[in-house]
Amino acid sequence: RKEVEQDPGPFNVPEGATVAFNCTYSNSASQSFFWYRQDCRKEPKLLMSVYSSGNEDGRFTAQLNRASQYISLLIRDSKLSDSATYLCVVPLSGAGSYQLTFGKGTKLSVIP
Amino acid sequence: DADVTQTPRNRITKTGKRIMLECSQTKGHDRMYWYRQDPGLGLRLIYYSFDVKDINKGEISDGYSVSRQAQAKFSLSLESAIPNQTALYFCATSDGGTRPVADTQYFGPGTRLTVL
Repeated sequence: RKEVEQDPGPFNVPEGATVAFNCTYSNSASQSFFWYRQDCRKEPKLLMSVYSSGNEDGRFTAQLNRASQYISLLIRDSKLSDSATYLCVVPLSGAGSYQLTFGKGTKLSVIP
Repeated sequence: DADVTQTPRNRITKTGKRIMLECSQTKGHDRMYWYRQDPGLGLRLIYYSFDVKDINKGEISDGYSVSRQAQAKFSLSLESAIPNQTALYFCATSDGGTRPVADTQYFGPGTRLTVL
């Protein structure tokens, strides 16, 4: 299994739809995880972090399944402004380094 | 003003030239990172530094070198640029976080480098 794997998409959804992205990871020792958002030609920005089973922030919910080693991101009531690439990020927890491994990203396009 | 700045924002150069990309931050973070991003490959770590006296190679350090001039400054050099180093380069900073939660990284706006 690759270290961090995401469906590249693109996901094309209408405004108001609910969309979910999944991410699988190989390092069972990782304890915290992130979703970053990256707009075209811009820098990645933190969207959410998840350490326990899940985290919710408004329309966004991140869930963690340690047994199956996957993380999900759910976006409800999609807005045009949600169009971006969503990066799943998993720390390499070894020797205190906390290096991050980035997935290749899932592209979302929200259509009017 | 942006917390993490990168200069230049765009650069076109020729094979064999020496190039330096600079990163400055006002966040007061000890940890700084250099990544490159290529289409279809995601972000890959080139070098990272946990303080001024600490420099570590990342996943793809060959062909690159770095200098941590101060807590706030971290430069990336390409001693002899080659075309496959054409990419989008990002600098990032972090404050170390609180274990077991890894720290959040904050990215600069990126430098788009083209090597002809």
